[in-house]
Amino acid sequence: GAGVSQSPRYKVAKRGQDVALRCDPISGHVSLFWYQQALGQGPEFLTYFQNEAQLDKSGLPSDRFFAERPEGSVSTLKIQRTQQEDSAVYLCASSLYGGGGQPQHFGDGTRLSIL
Amino acid sequence: AQRVTQPEKLLSVFKGAPVELKCNYSYSGSPELFWYVQYSRQRLQLLLRHISRESIKGFTADLNKGETSFHLKKPFAQEEDSAMYYCALRGVGIQGAQKLVFGQGTRLTINP
Repeated sequence: GAGVSQSPRYKVAKRGQDVALRCDPISGHVSLFWYQQALGQGPEFLTYFQNEAQLDKSGLPSDRFFAERPEGSVSTLKIQRTQQEDSAVYLCASSLYGGGGQPQHFGDGTRLSIL
Repeated sequence: AQRVTQPEKLLSVFKGAPVELKCNYSYSGSPELFWYVQYSRQRLQLLLRHISRESIKGFTADLNKGETSFHLKKPFAQEEDSAMYYCALRGVGIQGAQKLVFGQGTRLTINP
């Protein structure tokens, strides 16, 4: 495959709106990760899936953030009632499996701007 | 706590000069260390990882557990090395520790 694909590339929303960000991982990759990258910062972990199971959601900043991967492939990150501090680049990464030695492959990201 | 520190946000060197991007980490256990690079208008991509002990594009990095460092080095910088560099660690063997913890990044500029 062509690599991890994310859509949309850019999203502008008004404060209070809900948004959904999509990630299509590399075919066959078991593990999927979401990261949030604020301006001038490194990526920060949000959540991790192994197949359809969400094994770690410790990085989700609030209950307004929700992620799913119902069939163990495509994943959606949803942010409800967006706020200005949600403005960031949201990165998705996948790896063959989550264990040691397996690199994470990143998508281009979705740049989210909340007005 | 897991933490990665890259003390230099910006680094500028001349072409042909040696380059060293610093990375220090904090982790109780045996981490995996990585360097990721992001060239202009491209996605984040893996440059190298300590377990491979490899040299990629002339870059090397040695894990120093005593100093908890994983500095990235290249003896002779090239203009195409200009990019954003991120050091990252991954915990091993603990569920939920598969995530990468990144430093803030260092923007490397190679002057002609």
